[in-house]
Amino acid sequence: DIQMTQSPSSLSASVGDRVSITCRASQGINNYLAWFQQKPGKAPKSLIYAASSLQSGVPSKFSGSGYGTDFTLTISSLQPEDFATYYCQQYKNYPYTFGQGTKLEIK
Amino acid sequence: QVQLVQSGVEVKKPGASVKVSCKASGYIFTSYYMHWVRQAPGQGLEWMGTITPSGESTTYAQKFQGRVAITRDTSTSTVYMDLSSLRSDDTAVYFCATLGASFDHWGQGTLVTVSS
Repeated sequence: DIQMTQSPSSLSASVGDRVSITCRASQGINNYLAWFQQKPGKAPKSLIYAASSLQSGVPSKFSGSGYGTDFTLTISSLQPEDFATYYCQQYKNYPYTFGQGTKLEIK
Repeated sequence: QVQLVQSGVEVKKPGASVKVSCKASGYIFTSYYMHWVRQAPGQGLEWMGTITPSGESTTYAQKFQGRVAITRDTSTSTVYMDLSSLRSDDTAVYFCATLGASFDHWGQGTLVTVSS
């Protein structure tokens, strides 16, 4: 199975900040990587697919980059609604696997 | 608009089975895979398995092999996830999702509680 490792596990930031979350795959996955945002009690919401493509309706403050094994999600100009948990997920091979999550909290 | 509507809360005893449904609307049901993902309380997301658009083939995570069955009924645009031999650590919210790169939609989740 492909292991997905996110860092950091938690992150404290202020409104207006720019933050980055990284995701490393245990083997190359080309660009078969998605990023999700999840708020308490809700289903995950897709933000990015194919490592860097913005999902329809997602604001351009979210951006993704990377290829192979190392990927980054960047969120610019944090707003209160952006404080949530973020997951990466590889869909190169079955079983699909998720990172352990990064909880973004208000400082 | 695309909607995936799941069945309601389930409470089961250890050793029992549960069947969760996911009714799709707003898109061509037979064009996309359907996946099941679960989330234990306070934990991350765990992929369980998937079924092909036609329903002819399934793939399951090794962890659930022999205990899970995913089926689909194209006449009602509904996908089912059947999990047997339930244990307390199966307590989780179960989501159906298309996980289709640019076509990514999720159900609202179904809480399954396993308790004696």
